[in-house]
Amino acid sequence: GQQVKQSSPSLTVQEGGISILNCDYENDMFDYFAWYKKYPDNSPTLLISVRSNVDKREDGRLTVFLNKSGKHFSLHITASQPEDTAVYLCAAGRNQGGSAKLIFGEGTKLTVSS
Amino acid sequence: DPKIIQKPKYLVAVTGSEKILICEQYLGHNAMYWYRQSAKKPLEFMFSYSYQKLMDNQTASSRFQPQSSKKNHLDLQITALKPDDSATYFCASSLPRGQDTQYFGPGTRLLVL
Repeated sequence: GQQVKQSSPSLTVQEGGISILNCDYENDMFDYFAWYKKYPDNSPTLLISVRSNVDKREDGRLTVFLNKSGKHFSLHITASQPEDTAVYLCAAGRNQGGSAKLIFGEGTKLTVSS
Repeated sequence: DPKIIQKPKYLVAVTGSEKILICEQYLGHNAMYWYRQSAKKPLEFMFSYSYQKLMDNQTASSRFQPQSSKKNHLDLQITALKPDDSATYFCASSLPRGQDTQYFGPGTRLLVL
């Protein structure tokens, strides 16, 4: 089964609003959680990540919330802009021996309308 | 300058042939990875290497063989190509132990006819 799941394939938000993207995972051994942004025909670009020892991390307009007991993490984008329109991929992994296999969700297509 | 180079960008192959996908990274990383994204599927982990040693292999088929000739190279050889192998193949790299941020290359789009 899908170990990392994004239940919403798409989300539309008005410009200036808050975009909330959600991700659920199954493996409680995961200790690294990340959000990537992807445009069509481009590679994923890391936006923000957290390790399991924190439950929140902010970086500018981006905030990641981690709920380990609920096996859930989310990305909040404040003051959403049309240029935030893209596919957002969540990923989770566990560092083993100097490398970490990342398991990705299916992606949520965010559209910010002006 | 691109920090992770993948060659070629596009590749068309016939069923049954063999191809090699090239990946070089100039980030000073010691961990390298291959991922694949097929149409309408999530990005899927294939292999991870650390210090040129295989750490994890999630690819069931032996037709896929990573090759690491240098510590900043991780090529992917695919033999007996099938149409189902059509996908975009992404190489990624990260710092070693304790640093998990993975940076992705631009990808190679493979079409098998």
